Amino acid sequence: DAGVIQSPRHEVTEMGQEVTLRCKPISGHNSLFWYRQTMMRGLELLIYFNNNVPIDDSGMPEDRFSAKMPNASFSTLKIQPSEPRDSAVYFCASSYLSRFAGEAYEQYFGPGTRLTVT
Amino acid sequence: KQEVTQIPAALSVPEGENLVLNCSFTDSAIYNLQWFRQDPGKGLTSLLLIQSSQREQTSGRLNASLDKSSGRSTLYIAASQPGDSATYLCAGTTSGTYKYIFGTGTRLKVLA
Repeated sequence: DAGVIQSPRHEVTEMGQEVTLRCKPISGHNSLFWYRQTMMRGLELLIYFNNNVPIDDSGMPEDRFSAKMPNASFSTLKIQPSEPRDSAVYFCASSYLSRFAGEAYEQYFGPGTRLTVT
Repeated sequence: KQEVTQIPAALSVPEGENLVLNCSFTDSAIYNLQWFRQDPGKGLTSLLLIQSSQREQTSGRLNASLDKSSGRSTLYIAASQPGDSATYLCAGTTSGTYKYIFGTGTRLKVLA
Protein backbone atom coordinates (compact mmCIF):
# COMPACT_ATOMS: atom_id res chain seq x y z
CA ASP A 1 0.00 0.00 0.00
CA ALA A 2 1.21 3.53 -0.73
CA GLY A 3 0.25 4.76 2.70
CA VAL A 4 -1.69 7.94 3.35
CA ILE A 5 -1.29 10.38 0.48
CA GLN A 6 -1.55 14.12 0.89
CA SER A 7 -1.41 16.92 -1.65
CA PRO A 8 -0.02 19.40 -2.14
CA ARG A 9 3.10 18.90 -0.05
CA HIS A 10 3.72 22.63 0.11
CA GLU A 11 1.31 25.49 -0.36
CA VAL A 12 2.11 29.19 -0.30
CA THR A 13 -0.79 31.56 -0.60
CA GLU A 14 -1.75 35.12 0.16
CA MET A 15 -4.03 36.12 2.97
CA GLY A 16 -7.68 35.96 1.94
CA GLN A 17 -7.24 33.22 -0.60
CA GLU A 18 -9.00 29.86 -0.44
CA VAL A 19 -6.82 26.86 0.31
CA THR A 20 -7.79 23.23 -0.25
CA LEU A 21 -5.78 20.37 1.18
CA ARG A 22 -6.34 16.82 -0.02
CA CYS A 23 -5.97 13.41 1.54
CA LYS A 24 -6.28 9.82 0.34
CA PRO A 25 -6.41 7.38 3.28
CA ILE A 26 -5.11 3.83 3.28
CA SER A 27 -7.46 1.48 1.49
CA GLY A 28 -9.63 -0.44 3.94
CA HIS A 29 -9.38 2.13 6.70
CA ASN A 30 -12.68 3.56 7.85
CA SER A 31 -11.46 6.46 9.97
CA LEU A 32 -9.75 9.65 8.94
CA PHE A 33 -8.25 12.39 11.07
CA TRP A 34 -7.06 15.89 10.18
CA TYR A 35 -4.40 17.39 12.45
CA ARG A 36 -2.54 20.68 12.55
CA GLN A 37 1.01 20.98 13.88
CA THR A 38 2.66 24.22 14.99
CA MET A 39 5.66 24.95 17.15
CA MET A 40 3.52 26.77 19.69
CA ARG A 41 0.62 24.33 20.03
CA GLY A 42 2.09 21.02 18.91
CA LEU A 43 -0.19 18.51 17.21
CA GLU A 44 -3.92 19.24 17.44
CA LEU A 45 -6.83 17.19 16.18
CA LEU A 46 -9.10 19.24 13.95
CA ILE A 47 -11.75 16.75 12.83
CA TYR A 48 -12.43 13.02 12.83
CA PHE A 49 -14.46 11.06 10.26
CA ASN A 50 -15.75 7.54 10.70
CA ASN A 51 -17.23 5.78 7.66
CA ASN A 52 -17.17 9.13 5.82
CA VAL A 53 -19.28 10.82 8.50
CA PRO A 54 -17.84 13.67 10.60
CA ILE A 55 -17.97 12.48 14.19
CA ASP A 56 -16.12 15.22 16.01
CA ASP A 57 -15.25 18.64 14.59
CA SER A 58 -14.74 20.36 17.92
CA GLY A 59 -11.11 21.02 17.06
CA MET A 60 -11.90 23.06 13.96
CA PRO A 61 -10.70 26.52 14.95
CA GLU A 62 -13.45 28.56 13.34
CA ASP A 63 -15.97 28.75 10.53
CA ARG A 64 -13.26 29.50 8.02
CA PHE A 65 -12.29 25.83 8.23
CA SER A 66 -14.38 23.09 6.67
CA ALA A 67 -13.74 19.44 5.88
CA LYS A 68 -15.48 16.90 3.72
CA MET A 69 -15.19 13.22 3.01
CA PRO A 70 -17.35 12.42 -0.02
CA ASN A 71 -16.17 8.79 -0.16
CA ALA A 72 -13.92 6.34 1.61
CA SER A 73 -10.88 7.23 -0.46
CA PHE A 74 -10.84 11.01 -0.40
CA SER A 75 -11.08 13.92 2.00
CA THR A 76 -10.51 17.65 1.78
CA LEU A 77 -9.76 20.35 4.31
CA LYS A 78 -10.63 23.83 3.12
CA ILE A 79 -9.69 27.19 4.59
CA GLN A 80 -11.59 30.19 3.30
CA PRO A 81 -10.42 32.91 3.69
CA SER A 82 -6.91 32.00 4.80
CA GLU A 83 -4.99 34.05 7.36
CA PRO A 84 -1.29 34.17 8.30
CA ARG A 85 -2.04 32.44 11.63
CA ASP A 86 -3.22 29.40 9.66
CA SER A 87 0.39 28.76 8.64
CA ALA A 88 1.24 25.28 9.91
CA VAL A 89 1.78 21.71 8.80
CA TYR A 90 -1.49 19.89 8.25
CA PHE A 91 -1.51 16.12 8.60
CA CYS A 92 -4.04 13.56 7.58
CA ALA A 93 -4.07 10.19 9.35
CA SER A 94 -6.15 7.09 8.82
CA SER A 95 -7.00 4.02 10.82
CA TYR A 96 -9.54 1.26 11.21
CA LEU A 97 -11.77 1.40 14.26
CA SER A 98 -15.38 1.10 15.22
CA ARG A 99 -17.28 4.04 16.60
CA PHE A 100 -17.08 2.60 20.05
CA ALA A 101 -14.86 4.66 22.29
CA GLY A 102 -11.97 3.01 24.04
CA GLU A 103 -10.97 0.76 21.17
CA ALA A 104 -7.23 0.53 20.63
CA TYR A 105 -6.16 1.64 17.19
CA GLU A 106 -2.99 2.56 15.38
CA GLN A 107 -2.86 5.75 13.38
CA TYR A 108 -1.02 6.03 10.07
CA PHE A 109 0.03 9.53 9.10
CA GLY A 110 0.57 11.12 5.73
CA PRO A 111 3.64 13.25 4.97
CA GLY A 112 1.77 16.47 5.66
CA THR A 113 1.10 19.70 3.80
CA ARG A 114 3.18 22.69 4.83
CA LEU A 115 0.95 25.75 4.47
CA THR A 116 2.35 29.26 4.44
CA VAL A 117 -0.05 32.18 4.32
CA THR A 118 1.61 35.54 3.62
CA LYS B 1 -8.08 19.01 30.31
CA GLN B 2 -5.55 16.30 29.52
CA GLU B 3 -2.03 17.56 29.00
CA VAL B 4 1.00 15.54 28.06
CA THR B 5 4.57 16.44 28.96
CA GLN B 6 7.64 14.82 27.49
CA ILE B 7 10.97 14.99 29.21
CA PRO B 8 13.59 15.82 28.16
CA ALA B 9 12.60 18.22 25.40
CA ALA B 10 15.89 17.60 23.64
CA LEU B 11 18.66 15.08 24.03
CA SER B 12 22.05 14.62 22.39
CA VAL B 13 24.01 11.43 23.06
CA PRO B 14 26.93 9.50 21.57
CA GLU B 15 26.21 6.42 19.55
CA GLY B 16 25.73 3.21 21.51
CA GLU B 17 24.09 4.69 24.58
CA ASN B 18 20.89 3.32 26.04
CA LEU B 19 18.19 5.99 26.31
CA VAL B 20 15.00 6.58 28.25
CA LEU B 21 12.40 9.05 27.04
CA ASN B 22 9.59 10.00 29.36
CA CYS B 23 5.96 10.90 28.81
CA SER B 24 3.61 12.08 31.55
CA PHE B 25 -0.16 12.64 31.45
CA THR B 26 -2.02 15.00 33.80
CA ASP B 27 -4.98 12.63 33.75
CA SER B 28 -3.55 9.25 34.71
CA ALA B 29 -6.54 7.35 33.32
CA ILE B 30 -4.70 6.43 30.14
CA TYR B 31 -6.37 3.76 28.08
CA ASN B 32 -4.30 3.31 24.91
CA LEU B 33 -0.90 4.76 24.24
CA GLN B 34 1.10 5.12 21.06
CA TRP B 35 4.70 6.20 20.49
CA PHE B 36 5.64 7.88 17.23
CA ARG B 37 8.78 8.99 15.49
CA GLN B 38 8.86 12.12 13.34
CA ASP B 39 11.71 12.90 10.99
CA PRO B 40 12.24 16.52 9.90
CA GLY B 41 9.75 17.58 7.26
CA LYS B 42 7.94 14.27 7.37
CA GLY B 43 4.89 12.69 8.91
CA LEU B 44 4.67 10.58 12.03
CA THR B 45 5.60 6.92 11.99
CA SER B 46 4.01 4.63 14.53
CA LEU B 47 6.57 2.76 16.64
CA LEU B 48 4.64 0.99 19.37
CA LEU B 49 1.02 0.73 20.52
CA ILE B 50 0.17 -0.25 24.08
CA GLN B 51 -3.45 -1.33 24.37
CA SER B 52 -5.53 -0.95 27.48
CA SER B 53 -4.93 -4.53 28.61
CA GLN B 54 -1.16 -4.30 28.18
CA ARG B 55 1.65 -2.79 30.18
CA GLU B 56 4.47 -2.80 27.66
CA GLN B 57 5.42 -3.48 24.06
CA THR B 58 8.71 -4.30 22.41
CA SER B 59 9.94 -3.95 18.87
CA GLY B 60 13.60 -4.58 18.12
CA ARG B 61 15.69 -2.15 20.16
CA LEU B 62 12.60 -0.28 21.38
CA ASN B 63 10.60 -1.01 24.50
CA ALA B 64 7.70 1.07 25.74
CA SER B 65 5.99 0.69 29.08
CA LEU B 66 2.93 2.27 30.62
CA ASP B 67 2.28 2.78 34.32
CA LYS B 68 -1.42 3.52 34.52
CA SER B 69 -1.34 4.29 38.23
CA SER B 70 0.90 7.27 37.64
CA GLY B 71 -0.06 8.13 34.05
CA ARG B 72 3.52 7.78 32.85
CA SER B 73 5.09 6.02 29.93
CA THR B 74 8.71 5.44 29.04
CA LEU B 75 10.33 4.62 25.73
CA TYR B 76 13.59 2.76 26.07
CA ILE B 77 16.00 2.75 23.13
CA ALA B 78 18.84 0.28 23.39
CA ALA B 79 22.21 0.79 21.74
CA SER B 80 21.28 4.04 20.04
CA GLN B 81 22.36 4.70 16.45
CA PRO B 82 22.63 7.90 14.38
CA GLY B 83 19.61 6.70 12.40
CA ASP B 84 17.54 7.00 15.59
CA SER B 85 17.89 10.79 15.41
CA ALA B 86 14.37 12.20 15.19
CA THR B 87 11.61 13.68 17.32
CA TYR B 88 9.71 11.15 19.42
CA LEU B 89 6.11 11.81 20.40
CA CYS B 90 3.79 9.96 22.70
CA ALA B 91 0.01 10.09 22.41
CA GLY B 92 -2.67 8.63 24.65
CA THR B 93 -6.40 8.18 24.85
CA THR B 94 -8.41 8.17 28.04
CA SER B 95 -11.12 5.66 28.80
CA GLY B 96 -14.30 6.33 26.92
CA THR B 97 -12.71 8.38 24.17
CA TYR B 98 -11.07 7.71 20.83
CA LYS B 99 -9.12 10.97 20.68
CA TYR B 100 -5.35 10.81 21.02
CA ILE B 101 -3.74 13.67 22.94
CA PHE B 102 -0.17 14.25 21.84
CA GLY B 103 2.87 15.16 23.87
CA THR B 104 5.24 17.98 23.07
CA GLY B 105 7.96 15.65 21.80
CA THR B 106 11.59 14.83 22.59
CA ARG B 107 14.11 15.84 19.96
CA LEU B 108 16.85 13.19 19.90
CA LYS B 109 20.22 13.47 18.25
CA VAL B 110 22.58 10.50 18.26
CA LEU B 111 26.15 11.42 17.40
CA ALA B 112 28.35 9.07 15.40
